Parts: sequence; structure tokens; C-alpha cells
Amino acid sequence: DQQVKQNSPSLSVQEGRISILNCDYTNSMFDYFLWYKKYPAEGPTFLISISSIKDKNEDGRFTVFLNKSAKHLSLHIVPSQPGDSAVYFCAANTDKLIFGTGTRLQVFP
Amino acid sequence: DVKVTQSSRYLVKRTGEKVFLECVQDMDHENMFWYRQDPGLGLRLIYFSYDVKMKEKGDIPEGYSVSREKKERFSLILESASTNQTSMYLCASSLADRRSNYGYTFGSGTRLTVV
Repeated sequence: DQQVKQNSPSLSVQEGRISILNCDYTNSMFDYFLWYKKYPAEGPTFLISISSIKDKNEDGRFTVFLNKSAKHLSLHIVPSQPGDSAVYFCAANTDKLIFGTGTRLQVFP
Repeated sequence: DVKVTQSSRYLVKRTGEKVFLECVQDMDHENMFWYRQDPGLGLRLIYFSYDVKMKEKGDIPEGYSVSREKKERFSLILESASTNQTSMYLCASSLADRRSNYGYTFGSGTRLTVV
């Protein structure tokens, strides 16, 4: 029973364009949503989060949107840079984090 | 900076061996977690602990056990390693306020290969 889903295993975007990573969830009791970024051979690092009482949170090039009625969140990266190439995990928080399966983003020149 | 240190980056063990993965955090965090990462499956929770001597099963505890004798150290034990336990193992810690919008701090991971 996958409570947090990332249906796109990979995404390829040209440098300078927008990257949009999507995440769906099933449990309406989740109160925080987070995005993590992971490079190979490293642990995931926290990127950005959003409370369930908000619909948008922005931090520099990164914006997370939350649509509670659709149980959907998305991460926008504008402009995309080659250093953004990594695996991105969305996660939902109750008393512990539940992670999605990840989306591998590749930003090419 | 919060640091979560995993004792080994790479390990190769034989089937049937008892394997210990060690994790130490230096920020006095109450909560500690063990995940494994596999392609297409994301991060799956094995065990977690909210206090010393305390442990709770996550989503995939079979074949694993844990030990938390001190607040800063959380050990994952593979009682009898099998090839399907070949994976990247990630340790994480967090403050006691579970509903934190900053989530967890992860270690760099241990890539375990069981042959």
C-alpha cells in the first residue's frame, strides 16, 4: 500500500528550462510534505517543505505547490541547472516520514 | 551542522554472516531511523527508535534487528545476511517533535553487498 507515489521514474530537462516533479498521496492526515534530493553515494538532503495548511512555498529556484483536494504536490525548479541532476524524493510526515519511490532528474546543457 | 555518521561506506559480506551497521549522530536527537533504498522502491523504513532502549518495527523489519543502548548510537543488525539484503542502507535522525517540517538528517549511507 503505497501512500506516497511518484509516478515518473525519470525526467529529462534542458538547462534553463523548468523542471516539474510530481507526487501524489492517499492519506489526508499528512500534515507536512517534504522534498529531498539525493546524489549517488550520498544520503538524501532536505530541500523544501510545505505545511498542509498552505498551498505554496518558495525558496529561491525551488517552489512546492500543494493541492489538497487532489492530494497532489509538485516541485518546480526554475531555472534548471546541471547541478540539479539527482534523484528527488517526496515525503509525507505523520509520526514518521513516508517516502515516494523517487524521480531521477537529468538536466542537460 | 548536524552530523549523522555511518561507520562504513561500502561492505561486502557472505551469505549467512551476521552483519552490524553502525550509526552515530552528534546533535542529541531523540529519534533515529534505518531505511533501505532500492531502485524503483524508494526509501523503505526498516526500524526506528524514539528513545534509548526503545525500538519499533517499520515497514520491512523481517531479517533485521536493532539496538539502541545509547542515545547517539543506533545499530542495524542483519542476523543472517542474504543476497536479497543487498542494498543501500541509510540512517537518519530527528528531534523529538515528530511533526517537524524539516524532516530528518541522513547519513551518507552504507552500500552493502551480500555474496
